[in-house]
Amino acid sequence: LAKTTQPISMDSYEGQEVNITCSHNNIATNDYITWYQQFPSQGPRFIIQGYKTKVTNEVASLFIPADRKSSTLSLPRVSLSDTAVYYCLVGDNQSGYSTLTFGKGTMLLVSP
Amino acid sequence: ETGVTQTPRHLVMGMTNKKSLKCEQHLGHNAMYWYKQSAKKPLELMFVYSLEERVENNSVPSRFSPECPNSSHLFLHLHTLQPEDSALYLCASSQLRTGGGEQFFGPGTRLTVL
Repeated sequence: LAKTTQPISMDSYEGQEVNITCSHNNIATNDYITWYQQFPSQGPRFIIQGYKTKVTNEVASLFIPADRKSSTLSLPRVSLSDTAVYYCLVGDNQSGYSTLTFGKGTMLLVSP
Repeated sequence: ETGVTQTPRHLVMGMTNKKSLKCEQHLGHNAMYWYKQSAKKPLELMFVYSLEERVENNSVPSRFSPECPNSSHLFLHLHTLQPEDSALYLCASSQLRTGGGEQFFGPGTRLTVL
């Protein structure tokens, strides 16, 4: 499983755009890049997933360069409720199920 | 009930007790997972069930015994646990597929072993 590296923590203010970058130099051909959000004492929640280029949904965008060795999660106009831990995961589900390997994640603190 | 539910939400047990954690998914998924999250440590995958068959067991001690009687229910039977087993136990489910996909997590059971 490809290892990921992301900042331990980030600070932001309400209304700002936040970009969290994750490096995954050993990503394999079949691997997808997935981001989850976790609040204290809750289960992680899926945010976005991509394979290459750019993916956008109602809550975030995911930018993946051509070499796929890194990815950037972009959260537009964050609010206090976006304070959470964000995990970048890389893996495949060729067997039909995925075996997620979580790292320490990035603790995002949004201040007023 | 929608999504993934877990009961109980909190559990305190002694080292000689036997207890069970229950997970139920209402999403029609056919893969289920148990994770452990200890304080200040990353989530660790414990077990994976695919079509009610255990397909992954990540070197979990035998004092943890999973059971998947059908595609909607997953249990984690606990016996003779140690204080270091105190953690948040999370259940997740997904639809079997290739080419990406997401896991849906339950709220977790906060376990304290005295």
